[in-house]
Amino acid sequence: GENVEQHPSTLSVQEGDSAVIKCTYSDSASNYFPWYKQELGKRPQLIIDIRSNVGEKKDQRIAVTLNKTAKHFSLHITETQPEDSAVYFCAAKGRGGGADGLTFGKGTHLIIQP
Amino acid sequence: DTAVSQTPKYLVTQMGNDKSIKCEQNLGHDTMYWYKQDSKKFLKIMFSYNNKELIINETVPNRFSPKSPDKAHLNLHINSLELGDSAVYFCASSPGPSLGEQYFGPGTRLTVT
Repeated sequence: GENVEQHPSTLSVQEGDSAVIKCTYSDSASNYFPWYKQELGKRPQLIIDIRSNVGEKKDQRIAVTLNKTAKHFSLHITETQPEDSAVYFCAAKGRGGGADGLTFGKGTHLIIQP
Repeated sequence: DTAVSQTPKYLVTQMGNDKSIKCEQNLGHDTMYWYKQDSKKFLKIMFSYNNKELIINETVPNRFSPKSPDKAHLNLHINSLELGDSAVYFCASSPGPSLGEQYFGPGTRLTVT
């Protein structure tokens, strides 16, 4: 099955700086890669996603890049703000019939230092 | 008008008991899921359910069984609860099995004593 590795497990950046979180996946058939943000005690919330026919996608301060050949994808957050502090999860979903779910990375705890 | 809802939010019970967690979505989605988030925050798929087809993660004990009375509901039944079942359980839904966007419920924190 799919395996997703996520790094780093903890990331501390100064407010206003950029943050980058990286993930790799194992199944070359995977075609959908979402990123979720989870605040303490809350549900995971979808913040951005990318499909395998696209190399980059941007939404205001966040962007995701995908390298299908290398099987890795990254989340970029620019001009970080205190409210960006949370745990971020990358995930991958394979192609095919049936309702298989997302395979998640182990999460990155992003800390924004004031 | 919550999109994906779960009840209860907290559930404290003793080992050996049987319990259920309810999930409802009002998004008109065709596919629903159950995930388990352990104490290390690791999220793992347990089940997916689409058009009466249930796909089970092979690592899930058969003490866990999802039941779907209709397309908008996917409840989780757990028999003979064990200490290791303590976790946060999230329900989620998506428009279809090959459409990736999944939306999560608020979670149910299960504590087994």
